[in-house]
Amino acid sequence: AQSVTQLGSHVSVSEGALVLLRCNYSSSVPPYLFWYVQYPNQGLQLLLKYTTGATLVKGINGFEAEFKKSETSFHLTKPSAHMSDAAEYFCAVSVIKNTGNQFYFGTGTSLTVIP
Amino acid sequence: NAGVTQTPKFRILKIGQSMTLQCTQDMNHNYMYWYRQDPGMGLKLIYYSVGAGITDKGEVPNGYNVSRSTTEDFPLRLELAAPSQTSVYFCASIIGAWGQGAPGGYTFGSGTRLTVV
Repeated sequence: AQSVTQLGSHVSVSEGALVLLRCNYSSSVPPYLFWYVQYPNQGLQLLLKYTTGATLVKGINGFEAEFKKSETSFHLTKPSAHMSDAAEYFCAVSVIKNTGNQFYFGTGTSLTVIP
Repeated sequence: NAGVTQTPKFRILKIGQSMTLQCTQDMNHNYMYWYRQDPGMGLKLIYYSVGAGITDKGEVPNGYNVSRSTTEDFPLRLELAAPSQTSVYFCASIIGAWGQGAPGGYTFGSGTRLTVV
């Protein structure tokens, strides 16, 4: 069975501080991992993804994430928070089934950036 | 390129009414999905389709129906609206499975906010 756990439903950081959003997953097969961002009243946008290859992946807006198989984690980081980073962030795992891709989403982490 | 288009953006329904949430994509994606998003619950898969004429249930299909007569359209039908169906609904699409050269990741619509009173 596949599942995604995001630790912390709300995270607050000061502008310019490090952003760390945690994601752990369970998967019976090698996973494909994603981070999505959702701004108010909008759909989800892909931030970054891990499929194969390099375990440190870089995404848009200065975000990056590292796939750590031994820890079953895919934490999202950004060295310096900007006010525009305030949004909801979702971690997701994708597995391939007979009928195609199946995505499983975490419950989301709301990021607040304090001026 | 419009991507994934959802209509309407907002709707208020009375208990027992029915409605159809529309979803259209112009990217020639094979796979389409309907999710609902509730506060603190993440996204739950309602139905999905891997191609025209093929649909299947997701995690929370009760109270909903879908059809996929064309590659572009994947409407979601609520037959007898209930307060528990108050939610934000997202349609998403992806070109196909990884083995078919999928670029990775969904393309999401901007959502339909539904309130049942």
